[in-house]
Amino acid sequence: RKEVEQDPGPFNVPEGATVAFNCTYSNSASQSFFWYRQDCRKEPKLLMSVYSSGNEDGRFTAQLNRASQYISLLIRDSKLSDSATYLCVVTDTGGFKTIFGAGTRLFVKA
Amino acid sequence: DVKVTQSSRYLVKRTGEKVFLECVQDMDHENMFWYRQDPGLGLRLIYFSYDVKMKEKGDIPEGYSVSREKKERFSLILESASTNQTSMYLCASSSPPGTATWEQYFGPGTRLTVT
Repeated sequence: RKEVEQDPGPFNVPEGATVAFNCTYSNSASQSFFWYRQDCRKEPKLLMSVYSSGNEDGRFTAQLNRASQYISLLIRDSKLSDSATYLCVVTDTGGFKTIFGAGTRLFVKA
Repeated sequence: DVKVTQSSRYLVKRTGEKVFLECVQDMDHENMFWYRQDPGLGLRLIYFSYDVKMKEKGDIPEGYSVSREKKERFSLILESASTNQTSMYLCASSSPPGTATWEQYFGPGTRLTVT
């Protein structure tokens, strides 16, 4: 079993749609959680951190369920510019060892 | 503006060659990381360093070594390149875990092909 698992997609959605990505992790002692975004042929960039209480940044909402070892990302009112690969990221208790999911590819169409 | 630079965007090497990949960051970050990214596998951690001359193995250190002689520079070394080391190599840096601005900043990557 992979340490961090994501649905690879691709997700093909029209502009304005709401789309949700899920991620599960295997190490119950994992400490920190993030969503990164990676555009085609570019480096990953931090999209948002994920907190137990849930957090929102504009059209993006992230949730963490430690009991189920599950992380989610919700994108509302999708834009063409949201087309990218979304990477779920988990760190160990020391905070150094970082595990990336393989990513979920999103295509937003006009 | 944080900047992480890598010495080459594209590199072609022959099997058995010794390969050096250089990474430099300008944010005075303590932590630096080397990953490789392959389709369907995502990013996998090769080595990381939390201080000058300190290094820790990641998930796939076999066939690689690293060097960190200065805080801003972290080098990845392929002692004897093999075709299964053909990949995209990404360097990253960050402040210590738990700090308010802790995120990993990535360089643009080096696409290495070993023939």
